[in-house]
Amino acid sequence: GESVGLHLPTLSVQEGDNSIINCAYSNSASDYFIWYKQESGKGPQFIIDIRSNMDKRQGQRVTVLLNKTVKHLSLQIAATQPGDSAVYFCAESLTGGGNKLTFGTGTQLKVEL
Amino acid sequence: GAVVSQHPSRVICKSGTSVKIECRSLDFQATTMFWYRQFPKQSLMLMATSNEGSKATYEQGVEKDKFLINHASLTLSTLTVTSAHPEDSSFYICSASWTSDDQPQHFGDGTRLSIL
Repeated sequence: GESVGLHLPTLSVQEGDNSIINCAYSNSASDYFIWYKQESGKGPQFIIDIRSNMDKRQGQRVTVLLNKTVKHLSLQIAATQPGDSAVYFCAESLTGGGNKLTFGTGTQLKVEL
Repeated sequence: GAVVSQHPSRVICKSGTSVKIECRSLDFQATTMFWYRQFPKQSLMLMATSNEGSKATYEQGVEKDKFLINHASLTLSTLTVTSAHPEDSSFYICSASWTSDDQPQHFGDGTRLSIL
């Protein structure tokens, strides 16, 4: 059922700074990892993904780093903008993006002007 | 590309009512669609996976008779919440994918269900 009073971890950054959002995943057998951005009242929006045979992947203003040794995933956002304010979720899959995803708890990113 | 449309965006209804939510892939054929539930300030919890033309696979703890899923075509899946009660109030989100491994799931914008 619904949990009352649950708060998402929050990361506050100044506009123009770089943001780093971290995620610990659970299954060492996971082969695929993905980051989604969710704005209030909307569905998750794809940001970037990475396979387990890679440790880094770059997109436009975003970089995903994967450390399989400690089961850690991070999302780096360069030159953070107000429009980046949202909740960010990591997710993992045993096989790929088109299959079952297990989502992390999420991080609220707040960009201060 | 890869647009997923969900309808309605918001439903408010009385306890005991059954509610149907539609999920459509607008510009691709979705071999698999997923239904999630999300409570405020929480993560997405997978309810079920549906493949076109076959029965949905439900996650542990999700009542299949309560949450009826139909995936009649490659562009449409529906979730029916039967005899809804206040504890069923939540944000329901669907996603769709067209290949099993290579492409990310694309999500609809969710349905806010409020049961009075």
